[in-house]
Amino acid sequence: NAGVTQTPKFRILKIGQSMTLQCTQDMNHNYMYWYRQDPGMGLKLIYYSVGAGITDKGEVPNGYNVSRSTTEDFPLRLELAAPSQTSVYFCAGNRGLGETQYFGPGTRLLVL
Amino acid sequence: QQQVKQSPQSLIVQKGGISIINCAYENTAFDYFPWYQQFPGKGPALLIAIRPDVSEKKEGRFTISFNKSAKQFSLHIMDSQPGDSATYFCAASHSGTYKYIFGTGTRLKVLA
Repeated sequence: NAGVTQTPKFRILKIGQSMTLQCTQDMNHNYMYWYRQDPGMGLKLIYYSVGAGITDKGEVPNGYNVSRSTTEDFPLRLELAAPSQTSVYFCAGNRGLGETQYFGPGTRLLVL
Repeated sequence: QQQVKQSPQSLIVQKGGISIINCAYENTAFDYFPWYQQFPGKGPALLIAIRPDVSEKKEGRFTISFNKSAKQFSLHIMDSQPGDSATYFCAASHSGTYKYIFGTGTRLKVLA
């Protein structure tokens, strides 16, 4: 199993550009999440999904969008990049509620 | 009620010493308490987890102590090694929620 994989590892964006952060899992995770982690800070939930076709907002959803057309994939879309979106983004998943959550390796995003 | 308070923010320990990180929660519905270890440039990885039916769980040099009445749990790293230098996050969840509530992290440095 590859686990939770994310691409790209690093990206520089100009203000106003858009991009999609990819996340794929092969662990039969029903639940998937996107977090952002700012330097020296904890994890903030952006969006989550409880299954294919079902997504909902977390704590900090503004400026982001998600989709979940398949169980395996959960891409995160940034439409108009802003410097405030400079962060490290982690995708995570777990099979059931109250079970171990597994994280991807992260995508480091720099918006200039 | 949804917070998990983690302390200390940073910790410096001599090689061979004991590292202790504490977390406190308020929501009595939480029944799953994992600890994650994160190295620079990597995603958080599950280190050890406990459920409230036991007061202690040990895996190698890592031990979780759980005090249900005080609503506190802690991570003890025995014989700390320089390779343990990382950021540690506690978290809490339960089977009735999609949310994983993370602490703010503790940056541990073990001096050689």
